[in-house]
Amino acid sequence: NAGVTQTPKFQVLKTGQSMTLQCAQDMNHEYMSWYRQDPGMGLRLIHYSVGAGITDQGEVPNGYNVSRSTTEDFPLRLLSAAPSQTSVYFCASSWASGGPTGELFFGEGSRLTVL
Amino acid sequence: KNQVEQSPQSLIILEGKNCTLQCNYTVSPFSNLRWYKQDTGRGPVSLTIMTFSENTKSNGRYTATLDADTKQSSLHITASQLSDSASYICVVTTPPSGGYQKVTFGTGTKLQVIP
Repeated sequence: NAGVTQTPKFQVLKTGQSMTLQCAQDMNHEYMSWYRQDPGMGLRLIHYSVGAGITDQGEVPNGYNVSRSTTEDFPLRLLSAAPSQTSVYFCASSWASGGPTGELFFGEGSRLTVL
Repeated sequence: KNQVEQSPQSLIILEGKNCTLQCNYTVSPFSNLRWYKQDTGRGPVSLTIMTFSENTKSNGRYTATLDADTKQSSLHITASQLSDSASYICVVTTPPSGGYQKVTFGTGTKLQVIP
């Protein structure tokens, strides 16, 4: 199993550009989520999904869109990139109710720089 | 507000020495507490999980403790190795509600093990 796969690993954007960060998991997890990680701050939840066709906002959703058309994929779209969105983005998945242990499985991260 | 605080923020130790990382939380209700290890440039990976009834749990050279009364946890690393250099993140989870669990992340302790 590949686990959680994120692409791209690195991306540089200019202010105002749009892009999509891809996330795919092969563990048949219902729950998928996107976090951003900034220096000195804990991982912050952007958006999450508890199943195909169901998404909801997390702690810091502004400027981001998500969709969940399949169980496996959960892309994150930046609509009009701003320098404040410079960050490392992590996709994570788990069983929706946490399963027996509630472990989150993370991708390797996508480092985004907005100039 | 549910919070997870970790100390110290960073730590440098000599290879072979022991160290202890601290985590205090105010998250309620409580389901479980996990310690994740995050290598530089990688996604976090679960090390241990502690539930309400558990006081101590070991995973090789890593030993986690939990005092649910005082809402404190510690991660003790024995006979440190260079490969232990990483950030260690404390994560507290609430019981599932509405189909998914809520997860609160600490800001992490950055550990550097030097020869």
